[in-house]
Amino acid sequence: QVQLQESGTGLLKPSETLSLTCSVSGGSMRTYYWTWIRQPPGKGLEWIGSISHTGNTNYNPSLKSRVTISVDTSKNQFSLRLTSVTAADTAVYYCARDYPFYYDNSGYYGYFDFWGQGTLVTVSS
Amino acid sequence: SSELTQENAVSVALGQTVRITCQGDSLRAYFANWYQQKPGQPPVSVIYGRNNRPSGIPDRFSGSISGNTASLTITGAQAEDEADYYCTSRDNSVNLLLFGGGTKLTVL
Repeated sequence: QVQLQESGTGLLKPSETLSLTCSVSGGSMRTYYWTWIRQPPGKGLEWIGSISHTGNTNYNPSLKSRVTISVDTSKNQFSLRLTSVTAADTAVYYCARDYPFYYDNSGYYGYFDFWGQGTLVTVSS
Repeated sequence: SSELTQENAVSVALGQTVRITCQGDSLRAYFANWYQQKPGQPPVSVIYGRNNRPSGIPDRFSGSISGNTASLTITGAQAEDEADYYCTSRDNSVNLLLFGGGTKLTVL
């Protein structure tokens, strides 16, 4: 059974950099895409970005200027870096496996079949 | 525009059928996925693609797409189906994955 576990700093001050790591166990990172999603308290889900096992990335345009997602398949981990955080970045951050079930000329279509439990990141002065 | 619109809240009597909808231009050509989220838990996939259920999801959950509207139908809703439901769709033309705003389902 594949398991994902987020880890990282839970409390940040405005303008600092958020750094989270997702550790993957129970399966290989190859073939799949790996994603970060966040959820502000009491609100809906927001896709942050995804990375393939080879390092190809896609980011939410609204966050693209501040986001970097990286992968280290030798450690079975992928990471999120979000710079210049504000209170609006306070959220539960989830990592998830994106299982591709269909391909066409425009790319792939996947769904998130395994999720981490989520980690709360609070930005406060 | 790149957004997905869902009902804020829907209610259903125990054992009855309920449909939750998701509207958006990106749904005209692409698949929709549905996730169920209960308080304090990560989301769980209940429908992916045109109408596929991941392993372990009861067959009372089904999905469909017509035009720019995707629907999640629960036939014979159970108390444990009370949760928030989110649709997602991928717009590969702009490399963007969208989430709907979520629908709170209450089972009466």
